[in-house]
Amino acid sequence: GAGVSQTPSNKVTEKGKYVELRCDPISGHTALYWYRQSLGQGPEFLIYFQGTGAADDSGLPNDRFFAVRPEGSVSTLKIQRTERGDSAMYLCASSLRGASFNEQYFGPGTRLTVT
Amino acid sequence: GIQVEQSPPDLILQEGANSTLRCNFSDSVNNLQWFHQNPWGQLINLFYIPSGTKQNGRLSATTVATERYSLLYISSSQTTDSGVYFCAVERTDSWGKLQFGAGTQVVVTP
Repeated sequence: GAGVSQTPSNKVTEKGKYVELRCDPISGHTALYWYRQSLGQGPEFLIYFQGTGAADDSGLPNDRFFAVRPEGSVSTLKIQRTERGDSAMYLCASSLRGASFNEQYFGPGTRLTVT
Repeated sequence: GIQVEQSPPDLILQEGANSTLRCNFSDSVNNLQWFHQNPWGQLINLFYIPSGTKQNGRLSATTVATERYSLLYISSSQTTDSGVYFCAVERTDSWGKLQFGAGTQVVVTP
């Protein structure tokens, strides 16, 4: 079946602009996650949704970052007043979360460049 | 937070060689995954292995949860095995949040 998809694959924006990154999870997956990966490092957790609500947003770096999942499927990560330090690969993952099983599957990512 | 350490940081292999990658973690976990990141940045799932041993073709993995480590074995390496291998864990009291190690960069030469 189809995997996690993310759009756009690449986004170049100017410092100070607003951007939206979209994630379509695997059909039927109830949990959705956002991570950010800087060059040469492992991905870092940003936020986790179970259904429509954010179950854990402890990884969001500051209040310029916000994410929504209004219908419990597609999610949008929103970044306001972008800064050059926001440049990174943004990865989305989804899982069919069970009580003792939670394998996460990742999308291809959106590479964000802030000039 | 939980510490995840991967070793070695870099590995150069001749095609056909075997290798072992290690992941140590500092706390109890309920999820451990191994990924291969290809040159385009896609994370490919290799194993979901919070405990025990699994094999998939030339790859196998073992996690000893009580001793807080996991091993990934690559046998008869091929050039397509090149890339970065990540270990990621989900702490027992931190549902949903995968903590990644820094990765092992593997280069397989012909």
